[in-house]
Amino acid sequence: RKEVEQDPGPFNVPEGATVAFNCTYSNSASQSFFWYRQDCRKEPKLLMSVYSSGNEDGRFTAQLNRASQYISLLIRDSKLSDSATYLCVVSGATGNQFYFGTGTSLTVIP
Amino acid sequence: DAGVIQSPRHEVTEMGQEVTLRCKPISGHDYLFWYRQTMMRGLELLIYFNNNVPIDDSGMPEDRFSAKMPNASFSTLKIQPSEPRDSAVYFCASSVGQGKTQYFGPGTRLLVL
Repeated sequence: RKEVEQDPGPFNVPEGATVAFNCTYSNSASQSFFWYRQDCRKEPKLLMSVYSSGNEDGRFTAQLNRASQYISLLIRDSKLSDSATYLCVVSGATGNQFYFGTGTSLTVIP
Repeated sequence: DAGVIQSPRHEVTEMGQEVTLRCKPISGHDYLFWYRQTMMRGLELLIYFNNNVPIDDSGMPEDRFSAKMPNASFSTLKIQPSEPRDSAVYFCASSVGQGKTQYFGPGTRLLVL
């Protein structure tokens, strides 16, 4: 079983739409959780960390459900510039090793 | 601020040749990671260092791959001999502290013919 599983999409949504991505992880001892964004032919970049209490950064909201081993990312009022691949990232039990999901592709359409 | 620096950005080589990828982490970062990304397998951790010491190399595919970190500001990933299935984008990342945000370099696109 993969450490991190994501729906690969693609998600094609109109500008202004709300879109949600989900991710599950297999190791209940995982300590750190992140969403990274990767643009085409670029490196992954941190979008936001995910905390147990949930956290929000502008139009982006991340949620963590440890009991269900589930992470989500909600994007409100989608912009064309949000088009990218979103990677769910979970650390191992020691905290150092990161496991990346295969990514969810988002295209925001004018 | 300079981010993680990788060189070369692109490498095309023939099967059997030695390939050396280079990475300069962000100054002050004590963890360095080497990843490989392919369409089929996504982003995979190959090896990581803490304070220049290799901690976990279980992701290194086989003996043809080796990595070194002779000092805090430089690391290499070497493939010898290279094979077509090694074609991928190789990323270096660094972080400060355990389990903290990893910052990625721009990657090296390797094509082995």
